Amino acid sequence: NAGVTQTPKFQVLKTGQSMTLQCAQDMNHEYMSWYRQDPGMGLRLIHYSVGAGITDQGEVPNGYNVSRSTTEDFPLRLLSAAPSQTSVYFCASSLGREETQYFGPGTRLLVL
Amino acid sequence: DQQVKQNSPSLSVQEGRISILNCDYTNSMFDYFLWYKKYPAEGPTFLISISSIKDKNEDGRFTVFLNKSAKHLSLHIVPSQPGDSAVYFCAAKNFGNEKLTFGTGTRLTIIP
Repeated sequence: NAGVTQTPKFQVLKTGQSMTLQCAQDMNHEYMSWYRQDPGMGLRLIHYSVGAGITDQGEVPNGYNVSRSTTEDFPLRLLSAAPSQTSVYFCASSLGREETQYFGPGTRLLVL
Repeated sequence: DQQVKQNSPSLSVQEGRISILNCDYTNSMFDYFLWYKKYPAEGPTFLISISSIKDKNEDGRFTVFLNKSAKHLSLHIVPSQPGDSAVYFCAAKNFGNEKLTFGTGTRLTIIP
């Protein structure tokens, strides 16, 4: 099992550009989520999904879109990047909403 | 409003001694608590958890203590080893809710 994989590892964007952060898991986990980590802020939940076709907002959803067309993939889209979105992004998955979450290695995003 | 607080950004401990990491929470609805460990350039990995019906949970060198009246939990690592050097995040949730709330993290350095 590869576990939770994220691509790219690092990305530089200009303000206003769009991009998609990829997340995939091969553990047949129903629950997937996206977090961002900022200095002094811990990890904050952006969006989550309890299964294919179902998504919901977390604590800091503004500026981000998600979709869940398959159990394996949960991409995070930035439609118009802003410097405030400079952060490290982590994807996580778990068997169910009550189970322990497994995290990917992260994507470091810099928006200029 | 930071609902989960880790007031010590960093901690240094001699190898072989006890490491004690602290976490406070303000939301009385939280009833499940977790500790995650994070190495640089990697995602957080689950370490240990505790339910509010317990006041202690042990797993090898790691013990988590929960004081519900004080809304405080702590992680004890005995004995501390160089490989324990990492950032430790405390997290909390309401067991019926999939959302995790993370603290800001404590960087633990084990001195050989």
